[in-house]
Amino acid sequence: DIVLTQSPALAVSLGQKTTMSCKTSQNVDNFGKSYIHWYQQKPGEQPKLLIYFASNLASQVPARFSGSGSERDFTLTINPVEADDVATYYCQQGWEFPYTFGAGTKLELK
Amino acid sequence: QVQLQQSGAELAKPGSSVKISCKASGYTFTSYYISWIKQTTGQGLEYIGYINTGSGGTNYNEKFKGKATLTVDKSSSTAFMQLSSLTPDDSAVYYCAREYPPFAYWGQGTLVTVSS
Repeated sequence: DIVLTQSPALAVSLGQKTTMSCKTSQNVDNFGKSYIHWYQQKPGEQPKLLIYFASNLASQVPARFSGSGSERDFTLTINPVEADDVATYYCQQGWEFPYTFGAGTKLELK
Repeated sequence: QVQLQQSGAELAKPGSSVKISCKASGYTFTSYYISWIKQTTGQGLEYIGYINTGSGGTNYNEKFKGKATLTVDKSSSTAFMQLSSLTPDDSAVYYCAREYPPFAYWGQGTLVTVSS
């Protein structure tokens, strides 16, 4: 299975920029796409799709969120961070079955 | 609007089975697969597998073969997941989601607690 590695936690000040990483154990680029997707999950809620195929903003997601990266190294950026962004962020690979997730990065405010 | 409505929380005894449901609305049910995902505090999010809602064909993560059984009822636009031979390690929140990644639509989750 493809393993996705994320930093466990991040603390940031309101209004600042933050980036979080997702590193995959195998290249997930194929057919001109990177098969990495990002989700936001708040306590007691289901995950919400933020970014698909590494850099595409999902519907109704604020433009403060962006994604980048290729092959095995991917980044989710939030700029500027708002109070509502406190959550856990997961990356997922959708290239190889089973479709694995990272362990998540918990975003907290300083 | 697309909605996936899951059944309520389950409390089950070790060795028993549970069957949870995921009722779809707002789209043509048989046009999209349904996937199932397990979430625990310890193991995070784990992909269980998917079912082709048109044909009933399934694909399971090796880890969940023999544990999960996916079925559908096209007449009610509902997908089901049965979990068998339950142990405390099966205690988790289980989600259904539409199609395969990226998952734009998720159910609200079903909490399964396995305890004697």
